Amino acid sequence: DGGITQSPKYLFRKEGQNVTLSCEQNLNHDAMYWYRQDPGQGLRLIYYSQIVNDFQKGDIAEGYSVSREKKESFPLTVTSAQKNPTAFYLCASSRGSGVNTEAFFGQGTRLTVV
Amino acid sequence: AQSVTQLDSQVPVFEEAPVELRCNYSSSVSVYLFWYVQYPNQGLQLLLKYLSGSTLVKGINGFEAEFNKSQTSFHLRKPSVHISDTAEYFCAVVTGGGNKLTFGTGTQLKVEL
Repeated sequence: DGGITQSPKYLFRKEGQNVTLSCEQNLNHDAMYWYRQDPGQGLRLIYYSQIVNDFQKGDIAEGYSVSREKKESFPLTVTSAQKNPTAFYLCASSRGSGVNTEAFFGQGTRLTVV
Repeated sequence: AQSVTQLDSQVPVFEEAPVELRCNYSSSVSVYLFWYVQYPNQGLQLLLKYLSGSTLVKGINGFEAEFNKSQTSFHLRKPSVHISDTAEYFCAVVTGGGNKLTFGTGTQLKVEL
């Protein structure tokens, strides 16, 4: 079955640690996205990538980093510079831009700082 | 810049009653519009989309939405809701040449017996 796989489902991080969230897709989509979800705030875009080896900052990129070395993979690193990292993180992919921007989502990773 | 407003953060409704979830967008150019549903601790699933053509769009689970360009709205409706429709619903927009979705803050639909 084609889809997007995020792992792990739950992640706990100590203060000052970096953690990496995995996102893999087998839909052959060019574009991939990372969103952060907090209660009452909807989905806010962290980073997105339209093509391998290229990515752009979204609305809340500070304290996060990404890479896009393969078409299928778009890992997100939450660094110690992110002041309030506890949230639900969603990865998505789409075929491209404009009419092809319909996004397909993974099941999410819930990150908690302990 | 594009933006999306979902005025109702929560909508309670009794089972088998009709429901409308409101969505307004702001954009000076052509848009593509989407409604997604999210069940607790899960990702988002596409309900329906408007890309072009007929302004009345039908989606999964009996939902439909109407694109109204003059009122810049894309309200979601269902004539008779079920307990299983309890979830959070997100409206999203992308401009014609854009490459990323902008989401509203979501509406929590709670269906009661």
